[in-house]
Amino acid sequence: SAVISQKPSRDICQRGTSLTIQCQVDSQVTMMFWYRQQPGQSLTLIATANQGSEATYESGFVIDKFPISRPNLTFSTLTVSNMSPEDSSIYLCSVARVGDTQYFGPGTRLTVL
Amino acid sequence: QQQVKQSPQSLIVQKGGISIINCAYENTAFDYFPWYQQFPGKGPALLIAIRPDVSEKKEGRFTISFNKSAKQFSLHIMDSQPGDSATYFCAGSGGVSGTYKYIFGTGTRLKVLA
Repeated sequence: SAVISQKPSRDICQRGTSLTIQCQVDSQVTMMFWYRQQPGQSLTLIATANQGSEATYESGFVIDKFPISRPNLTFSTLTVSNMSPEDSSIYLCSVARVGDTQYFGPGTRLTVL
Repeated sequence: QQQVKQSPQSLIVQKGGISIINCAYENTAFDYFPWYQQFPGKGPALLIAIRPDVSEKKEGRFTISFNKSAKQFSLHIMDSQPGDSATYFCAGSGGVSGTYKYIFGTGTRLKVLA
């Protein structure tokens, strides 16, 4: 398994601002993912964070809105840019090693006013 | 091709009863099917997972039944307890891409009555 922490755990932000969410894992992992979970809904993959290269985004998500960094094998950040109330959601990072399952962090609950 | 359909959307079970949640997938390349349990305010936690080479996997009160020909799998929670009240997600993963991406079902909100 893996111990994953996310910062911040929650935040309330103003429209038009940006928030950077951090994901830290206690050991090296091959893959890191970022998901969005809207209230009462399922998990939607935003992107795969690739170490040392640009993230791979899913359909409907773009780098300008959700820039991602992954400087090493234990850390990644997701920025939600130019926020609107529609970005209010829970943002989750998950990690996996080759051949292993995905483990999720506790999530960041974002409210945009 | 990528969808995982999950039912029911919500489920109410008496304490001690059996909770059954069903999922169906379309992508025949999927080779890994995990179930996650999520409590309010928490991230999803892996409950149990199965690969298509077996038809059933049991861990304590939790059992996955897998029907490869029908492309269906289900989670059975035996002797359901109020502490099992949570949202459950099934997922499918695998295929040629090797990206280990998961496709999640829509979730089932389980309530176990004391």
